[in-house]
Amino acid sequence: DTAVSQTPKYLVTQMGNDKSIKCEQNLGHDTMYWYKQDSKKFLKIMFSYNNKELIINETVPNRFSPKSPDKAHLNLHINSLELGDSAVYFCASSHATAPGLRPDTQYFGPGTRLTVL
Amino acid sequence: SQQGEEDPQALSIQEGENATMNCSYKTSINNLQWYRQNSGRGLVHLILIRSNEREKHSGRLRVTLDTSKKSSSLLITASRAADTASYFCATDDHNTDKLIFGTGTRLQVFP
Repeated sequence: DTAVSQTPKYLVTQMGNDKSIKCEQNLGHDTMYWYKQDSKKFLKIMFSYNNKELIINETVPNRFSPKSPDKAHLNLHINSLELGDSAVYFCASSHATAPGLRPDTQYFGPGTRLTVL
Repeated sequence: SQQGEEDPQALSIQEGENATMNCSYKTSINNLQWYRQNSGRGLVHLILIRSNEREKHSGRLRVTLDTSKKSSSLLITASRAADTASYFCATDDHNTDKLIFGTGTRLQVFP
């Protein structure tokens, strides 16, 4: 009965590789997010999707591409990984149902710790 | 940057004592939320206070909001060792759908 799940929990890879992180929520939420938390615990939003539509796209390198096959899933694909991509990536979901509605309580996944060597 | 700042960055107390954390932000908001993050885990929502509210309680948690000073405080009363975690405030960006997280306060409660 996990609410927001992410796989894998840990990901160690070499520079230049391409990797994906998967996220699923079973809360029936319409909006999903990807956040990046750096080594200083600074948490910053990367993307958000509402009903499979991209709503927020922060200034993130285009090596990062989110994909939402349905509103319960939001995956993150990263091409040509760099050392600076090492961080913990969190998926989250909420009831914010449409652009312009205020962000509601967000439910976070357990995180994926990405280490790029 | 719109990012909120929290104060103190780190706080160590004994079990039974109260812990107070403060959050300052820069823009107009509709609501402010507090989250807890245990080491190696995701964030867990604690409480949401709307811009027209001044104080809210949830169990041992008390949150205040002063929109004139653009600040909020989180008080944890009668702390327990299990309260050891990082605490983040988050404000909604008035013009977009984003949540802006603060820098966090690391709370250590010693038994």
